[in-house]
Amino acid sequence: NAGVTQTPKFQVLKTGQSMTLQCAQDMNHNSMYWYRQDPGMGLRLIYYSASEGTTDKGEVPNGYNVSRLNKREFSLRLESAAPSQTSVYFCASSAGLGLAGSLPYEQYFGPGTRLTVT
Amino acid sequence: GESVGLHLPTLSVQEGDNSIINCAYSNSASDYFIWYKQESGKGPQFIIDIRSNMDKRQGQRVTVLLNKTVKHLSLQIAATQPGDSAVYFCADASSNTGKLIFGQGTTLQVKP
Repeated sequence: NAGVTQTPKFQVLKTGQSMTLQCAQDMNHNSMYWYRQDPGMGLRLIYYSASEGTTDKGEVPNGYNVSRLNKREFSLRLESAAPSQTSVYFCASSAGLGLAGSLPYEQYFGPGTRLTVT
Repeated sequence: GESVGLHLPTLSVQEGDNSIINCAYSNSASDYFIWYKQESGKGPQFIIDIRSNMDKRQGQRVTVLLNKTVKHLSLQIAATQPGDSAVYFCADASSNTGKLIFGQGTTLQVKP
């Protein structure tokens, strides 16, 4: 069981470039999340997908788009990167509400992607 | 909106002592709380959780206390070890969506 995996681990972009961060989980979880973490800060929710086929905005969605490709995969896209998007990005998954025998709120996190936009 | 905050950005303790990390929340409707541990260069790792109908929950060397009257949450770590050095986050979970709202984190430093 790999848990939650993210690629790439590190990325440097120039302002205006685009890129997609990939996330996959092998725990058969329904819900997936994208967060960003800035120095000295907690995690802020960018987008989430409560179940396959649905996505919703979180706290800081501007400048990002997401795709829930299937139950396992949830990608985050930066269409035109800006220096303000320099951050560490974490993907997480949880069993989700209503899954018998599971803890719905416990989120499992990937190792993160360190993104620098110059 | 909701906010979840920790009282101190940094806590320094002697190895073997007990650690207490505090968290305050503002949303009286919050019904679920989680503590996460984040080691340097890694993603957050679940430690323990507590529902709002409980006052106390114990795990292995960790205890979470919830005081709903003053909207206060604490994480107690017994016999703190060097491996406990990390940033600790409390988070409030929405019962409708499962979304977590994180506090800013407390850095625990363990002195040998």
